[in-house]
Amino acid sequence: GEKVEQHESTLSVREGDSAVINCTYTDTASSYFPWYKQEAGKSLHFVIDIRSNVDRKQSQRLIVLLDKKAKRFSLHITATQPEDSAIYFCAARDNNAGAKLTFGGGTRLTVRP
Amino acid sequence: NAGVIQTPRHKVTGKGQEATLWCEPISGHSAVFWYRQTIVQGLEFLTYFRNQAPIDDSGMPKERFSAQMPNQSHSTLKIQSTQPQDSAVYLCASSLPGGGGAETLYFGSGTRLTVL
Repeated sequence: GEKVEQHESTLSVREGDSAVINCTYTDTASSYFPWYKQEAGKSLHFVIDIRSNVDRKQSQRLIVLLDKKAKRFSLHITATQPEDSAIYFCAARDNNAGAKLTFGGGTRLTVRP
Repeated sequence: NAGVIQTPRHKVTGKGQEATLWCEPISGHSAVFWYRQTIVQGLEFLTYFRNQAPIDDSGMPKERFSAQMPNQSHSTLKIQSTQPQDSAVYLCASSLPGGGGAETLYFGSGTRLTVL
């Protein structure tokens, strides 16, 4: 089955700098890649996603890049703010395997003032 | 819209006891997912239902775990003979099918199960 690896378990950046979180996946059939955010003491909520028919997607300060050849995708947070501090999870879905998401291990992002 | 509701928020059981966790999905959502979150294993898929029918239970430990969705407004996850390694936060999520395979999961706040 699909395996998703999140390369950075922790990441610390200064407020205003950019943060990049990288993930790799194993199943070439995966075609949908969402990102979820978990703030301290709260549950996960969706932040952005990308489908395999594009290689870049942007939503305000969030950019997702997808390299299908390398089976790699990344989340870029520009102009980071303290409220960006959270654990970020990447995930992948193989449409042939139904709707379940396979998650990476999470990256704890800390934005320092 | 209250979001996905999970009860109880915390549950403490003794080893060997049974635990039943409840999930109320967002009204109108057709799919319900169960995940387990631990520090060591991260987010593990357990099972999911679509229109109340079980679709994929590949993540469920076969012997002691069972899940049901008797109606569209709630799902239960039952763990029999709980063991300390079952201690985790159990997350329920619901979703509507999206175009092109995109389907956003809306997670509940989770039930923290502690097995002593």
